[in-house]
Amino acid sequence: AQSVTQLDSQVPVFEEAPVELRCNYSSSVSVYLFWYVQYPNQGLQLLLKYLSGSTLVESINGFEAEFNKSQTSFHLRKPSVHISDTAEYFCAVTRFSGFQKLVFGTGTRLLVSP
Amino acid sequence: KAGVTQTPRYLIKTRGQQVTLSCSPISGHRSVSWYQQTPGQGLQFLFEYFSETQRNKGNFPGRFSGRQFSNSRSEMNVSTLELGDSALYLCASSLGGGANTDTQYFGPGTRLTVL
Repeated sequence: AQSVTQLDSQVPVFEEAPVELRCNYSSSVSVYLFWYVQYPNQGLQLLLKYLSGSTLVESINGFEAEFNKSQTSFHLRKPSVHISDTAEYFCAVTRFSGFQKLVFGTGTRLLVSP
Repeated sequence: KAGVTQTPRYLIKTRGQQVTLSCSPISGHRSVSWYQQTPGQGLQFLFEYFSETQRNKGNFPGRFSGRQFSNSRSEMNVSTLELGDSALYLCASSLGGGANTDTQYFGPGTRLTVL
Protein backbone atom coordinates (compact mmCIF):
# COMPACT_ATOMS: atom_id res chain seq x y z
CA ALA A 1 0.00 0.00 0.00
CA GLN A 2 1.03 3.59 -0.52
CA SER A 3 0.71 6.56 1.79
CA VAL A 4 1.56 10.24 1.49
CA THR A 5 2.40 12.63 4.30
CA GLN A 6 2.13 16.38 4.06
CA LEU A 7 3.25 17.56 7.47
CA ASP A 8 2.28 21.21 7.04
CA SER A 9 -1.47 21.76 6.99
CA GLN A 10 -1.03 25.48 6.41
CA VAL A 11 1.88 27.62 5.23
CA PRO A 12 1.57 31.41 5.50
CA VAL A 13 4.00 33.43 3.42
CA PHE A 14 4.39 36.98 2.16
CA GLU A 15 4.17 37.82 -1.50
CA GLU A 16 7.46 37.50 -3.40
CA ALA A 17 8.96 35.27 -0.69
CA PRO A 18 10.14 31.73 -1.44
CA VAL A 19 8.11 28.75 -0.30
CA GLU A 20 8.56 25.01 0.13
CA LEU A 21 5.69 22.58 0.63
CA ARG A 22 6.84 19.25 1.96
CA CYS A 23 5.73 15.83 0.79
CA ASN A 24 6.97 12.43 1.90
CA TYR A 25 5.64 9.11 0.71
CA SER A 26 5.79 5.49 1.69
CA SER A 27 5.44 2.59 -0.72
CA SER A 28 6.64 -0.98 -1.07
CA VAL A 29 6.62 -0.61 -4.85
CA SER A 30 7.83 2.06 -7.26
CA VAL A 31 5.52 5.01 -7.70
CA TYR A 32 4.87 8.00 -9.88
CA LEU A 33 4.49 11.33 -8.05
CA PHE A 34 2.18 14.26 -8.65
CA TRP A 35 1.35 17.68 -7.26
CA TYR A 36 -2.19 18.96 -7.72
CA VAL A 37 -3.56 22.40 -6.82
CA GLN A 38 -7.11 23.19 -5.77
CA TYR A 39 -8.42 26.75 -5.88
CA PRO A 40 -11.53 27.61 -3.82
CA ASN A 41 -14.70 25.96 -5.08
CA GLN A 42 -12.87 24.22 -7.87
CA GLY A 43 -11.61 20.75 -8.69
CA LEU A 44 -7.99 19.66 -8.75
CA GLN A 45 -5.56 20.79 -11.43
CA LEU A 46 -2.31 18.99 -12.18
CA LEU A 47 0.65 21.19 -11.33
CA LEU A 48 3.49 18.82 -12.19
CA LYS A 49 4.43 15.16 -12.16
CA TYR A 50 7.51 12.99 -11.89
CA LEU A 51 7.52 9.88 -14.04
CA SER A 52 11.19 9.22 -14.78
CA GLY A 53 14.39 10.91 -15.88
CA SER A 54 15.56 14.16 -14.33
CA THR A 55 14.57 14.30 -10.69
CA LEU A 56 13.76 18.00 -10.97
CA VAL A 57 10.45 18.77 -12.66
CA GLU A 58 9.00 22.19 -13.37
CA SER A 59 5.57 23.62 -13.99
CA ILE A 60 4.66 26.43 -16.36
CA ASN A 61 3.86 28.84 -13.51
CA GLY A 62 7.21 28.75 -11.74
CA PHE A 63 6.78 25.83 -9.35
CA GLU A 64 9.31 23.01 -9.25
CA ALA A 65 9.60 19.76 -7.34
CA GLU A 66 12.50 17.44 -6.78
CA PHE A 67 12.18 13.69 -6.41
CA ASN A 68 14.51 12.30 -3.76
CA LYS A 69 14.33 8.51 -3.73
CA SER A 70 16.58 7.99 -0.71
CA GLN A 71 14.48 10.34 1.40
CA THR A 72 11.22 9.32 -0.27
CA SER A 73 10.33 12.96 -0.72
CA PHE A 74 8.86 15.15 -3.45
CA HIS A 75 8.91 18.68 -2.04
CA LEU A 76 7.35 21.53 -4.00
CA ARG A 77 9.13 24.89 -4.22
CA LYS A 78 8.64 28.30 -5.71
CA PRO A 79 11.29 31.04 -5.47
CA SER A 80 8.80 33.91 -5.41
CA VAL A 81 5.07 33.48 -4.72
CA HIS A 82 2.16 35.63 -5.84
CA ILE A 83 -1.16 36.35 -4.21
CA SER A 84 -2.76 34.21 -6.90
CA ASP A 85 -0.85 31.15 -5.64
CA THR A 86 -3.12 31.05 -2.59
CA ALA A 87 -4.72 27.61 -2.82
CA GLU A 88 -4.55 24.10 -1.40
CA TYR A 89 -1.81 21.85 -2.71
CA PHE A 90 -2.02 18.07 -2.74
CA CYS A 91 0.81 15.62 -3.22
CA ALA A 92 -0.22 12.24 -4.66
CA VAL A 93 1.31 8.96 -5.77
CA THR A 94 0.25 6.09 -7.95
CA ARG A 95 2.08 2.83 -8.40
CA PHE A 96 3.96 1.94 -11.58
CA SER A 97 1.74 -0.98 -12.48
CA GLY A 98 -1.73 -2.23 -11.79
CA PHE A 99 -4.82 -0.12 -12.08
CA GLN A 100 -4.25 3.55 -11.59
CA LYS A 101 -5.42 4.93 -8.26
CA LEU A 102 -4.15 8.20 -6.87
CA VAL A 103 -3.31 8.20 -3.16
CA PHE A 104 -3.35 11.74 -1.83
CA GLY A 105 -1.80 13.50 1.11
CA THR A 106 -3.98 15.59 3.38
CA GLY A 107 -3.08 18.81 1.60
CA THR A 108 -1.24 22.02 2.47
CA ARG A 109 -3.04 25.33 2.38
CA LEU A 110 -0.73 28.04 1.04
CA LEU A 111 -1.76 31.51 2.23
CA VAL A 112 0.01 34.35 0.45
CA SER A 113 -0.44 37.81 1.91
CA PRO A 114 0.74 41.18 0.60
CA LYS B 1 -11.40 20.53 -25.88
CA ALA B 2 -13.99 20.71 -23.12
CA GLY B 3 -12.93 19.63 -19.64
CA VAL B 4 -14.55 17.18 -17.27
CA THR B 5 -18.05 18.24 -16.35
CA GLN B 6 -20.04 17.20 -13.33
CA THR B 7 -23.71 17.70 -12.60
CA PRO B 8 -25.22 18.90 -10.44
CA ARG B 9 -22.68 21.18 -8.77
CA TYR B 10 -24.59 21.35 -5.51
CA LEU B 11 -27.06 18.97 -3.94
CA ILE B 12 -28.92 18.89 -0.63
CA LYS B 13 -30.52 15.66 0.52
CA THR B 14 -31.85 14.24 3.77
CA ARG B 15 -30.75 11.11 5.58
CA GLY B 16 -32.10 7.92 4.08
CA GLN B 17 -32.52 9.30 0.59
CA GLN B 18 -30.47 8.25 -2.38
CA VAL B 19 -28.58 10.41 -4.85
CA THR B 20 -27.10 10.08 -8.33
CA LEU B 21 -24.18 12.18 -9.52
CA SER B 22 -23.12 12.47 -13.14
CA CYS B 23 -19.73 12.91 -14.80
CA SER B 24 -18.88 13.53 -18.45
CA PRO B 25 -15.21 12.89 -19.22
CA ILE B 26 -12.98 14.68 -21.67
CA SER B 27 -13.66 13.55 -25.21
CA GLY B 28 -11.57 10.48 -26.01
CA HIS B 29 -10.99 9.55 -22.38
CA ARG B 30 -12.24 6.10 -21.50
CA SER B 31 -11.37 5.92 -17.82
CA VAL B 32 -13.41 7.65 -15.14
CA SER B 33 -12.46 7.64 -11.47
CA TRP B 34 -14.43 8.97 -8.51
CA TYR B 35 -13.01 10.46 -5.32
CA GLN B 36 -14.61 11.68 -2.12
CA GLN B 37 -13.16 14.76 -0.44
CA THR B 38 -13.98 15.58 3.19
CA PRO B 39 -12.23 17.78 5.75
CA GLY B 40 -11.65 14.80 8.04
CA GLN B 41 -10.61 12.07 5.63
CA GLY B 42 -9.19 14.13 2.78
CA LEU B 43 -9.31 12.74 -0.73
CA GLN B 44 -10.24 9.09 -0.94
CA PHE B 45 -10.57 6.89 -4.00
CA LEU B 46 -14.02 5.41 -4.56
CA PHE B 47 -13.81 3.46 -7.82
CA GLU B 48 -12.64 3.53 -11.42
CA TYR B 49 -14.48 2.54 -14.57
CA PHE B 50 -13.09 1.70 -17.98
CA SER B 51 -15.12 0.52 -20.96
CA GLU B 52 -18.25 0.16 -18.82
CA THR B 53 -16.45 -2.12 -16.33
CA GLN B 54 -15.39 -1.36 -12.80
CA ARG B 55 -11.66 -1.98 -12.70
CA ASN B 56 -10.73 -0.79 -9.26
CA LYS B 57 -12.58 -0.12 -6.03
CA GLY B 58 -11.72 1.69 -2.82
CA ASN B 59 -12.78 0.89 0.73
CA PHE B 60 -16.31 2.21 0.76
CA PRO B 61 -19.51 0.42 1.75
CA GLY B 62 -21.81 -1.11 -0.82
CA ARG B 63 -24.11 1.91 -0.58
CA PHE B 64 -21.70 3.57 -2.96
CA SER B 65 -21.98 2.29 -6.50
CA GLY B 66 -21.37 3.49 -9.99
CA ARG B 67 -21.63 2.68 -13.62
CA GLN B 68 -20.25 3.79 -16.93
CA PHE B 69 -22.07 4.08 -20.23
CA SER B 70 -20.86 3.28 -23.72
CA ASN B 71 -20.04 6.96 -24.32
CA SER B 72 -17.76 6.87 -21.23
CA ARG B 73 -20.08 9.07 -19.18
CA SER B 74 -20.31 7.83 -15.63
CA GLU B 75 -22.78 8.03 -12.79
CA MET B 76 -22.25 7.48 -9.12
CA ASN B 77 -25.06 6.50 -6.79
CA VAL B 78 -25.22 6.65 -3.02
CA SER B 79 -28.16 4.94 -1.35
CA THR B 80 -29.49 5.37 2.18
CA LEU B 81 -27.60 8.59 2.71
CA GLU B 82 -25.90 9.24 6.05
CA LEU B 83 -24.73 12.53 7.51
CA GLY B 84 -21.14 11.43 6.98
CA ASP B 85 -21.69 11.22 3.24
CA SER B 86 -21.62 15.02 3.07
CA ALA B 87 -18.60 15.73 0.90
CA LEU B 88 -17.26 17.06 -2.34
CA TYR B 89 -17.39 14.25 -4.91
CA LEU B 90 -14.79 14.60 -7.61
CA CYS B 91 -14.70 12.82 -10.92
CA ALA B 92 -11.49 12.44 -12.92
CA SER B 93 -10.96 11.19 -16.44
CA SER B 94 -7.91 9.83 -18.23
CA LEU B 95 -7.09 8.01 -21.42
CA GLY B 96 -7.18 4.77 -19.49
CA GLY B 97 -5.00 2.71 -21.75
CA GLY B 98 -3.40 1.04 -18.77
CA ALA B 99 -0.43 3.35 -18.34
CA ASN B 100 -0.29 4.77 -14.85
CA THR B 101 1.60 7.71 -16.33
CA ASP B 102 -1.71 9.01 -17.66
CA THR B 103 -2.72 12.32 -16.16
CA GLN B 104 -6.07 12.34 -14.41
CA TYR B 105 -8.09 15.46 -15.19
CA PHE B 106 -10.55 16.47 -12.52
CA GLY B 107 -13.96 18.04 -12.77
CA PRO B 108 -15.18 20.85 -10.48
CA GLY B 109 -16.97 18.39 -8.21
CA THR B 110 -20.45 17.96 -6.82
CA ARG B 111 -20.92 19.22 -3.29
CA LEU B 112 -23.37 16.97 -1.49
CA THR B 113 -24.88 18.07 1.79
CA VAL B 114 -26.88 15.53 3.80
CA LEU B 115 -29.22 16.97 6.43
